[in-house]
Amino acid sequence: AQTVTQSQPEMSVQEAETVTLSCTYDTSESDYYLFWYKQPPSRQMILVIRQEAYKQQNATENRFSVNFQKAAKSFSLKISDSQLGDAAMYFCAYRSKYGNKLVFGAGTILRVKS
Amino acid sequence: NAGVTQTPKFQVLKTGQSMTLQCAQDMNHEYMSWYRQDPGMGLRLIHYSVGAGITDQGEVPNGYNVSRSTTEDFPLRLLSAAPSQTSVYFCASSLPSGQGAGEQYFGPGTRLTVT
Repeated sequence: AQTVTQSQPEMSVQEAETVTLSCTYDTSESDYYLFWYKQPPSRQMILVIRQEAYKQQNATENRFSVNFQKAAKSFSLKISDSQLGDAAMYFCAYRSKYGNKLVFGAGTILRVKS
Repeated sequence: NAGVTQTPKFQVLKTGQSMTLQCAQDMNHEYMSWYRQDPGMGLRLIHYSVGAGITDQGEVPNGYNVSRSTTEDFPLRLLSAAPSQTSVYFCASSLPSGQGAGEQYFGPGTRLTVT
């Protein structure tokens, strides 16, 4: 079974600075998706960024980018120019390309200081 | 296009009571699922469905029932509520495996407290 590990329960960043959230996963599959979801205090789960395992190029979405290291099974999220609105819980998640279930990490709380 | 909707948003139950959490989606997604979110544990899969009439158990199915009579609806039933079921519940939907970009769309969640 696949597992996802987020080793940082909490992180803090100064506004306008850059922060990196870590995620590692375990799988024997070669084709899968990886996601970062953001959960603000409103509780809504918001997709931040996705990565398809067969794509070597790291995904980027505006200030959000990932460092996908397939051999190391690592999928970190970098947030540049951090904003107060980035403060939230962030979840890393795995989905097999030919399965339907999402497997989540325990989450990282990100605090942004002004 | 409302996406994934859940009702109610909040619920308080007494131990032993039963209730149904409602979930509906208007995106014609075949795959739907229920997760519970507990502090320090992320989201864990309770039950899922790959289409109308087909359901299966996830990681933490005990104490919950589901059915899928239509593509749109996927209710979650708590048969006899226990304090251990105090949690936030999320419904999600997506295209089937191998289609689309793999992402799941989440409802706004239901905070359930069992006293």
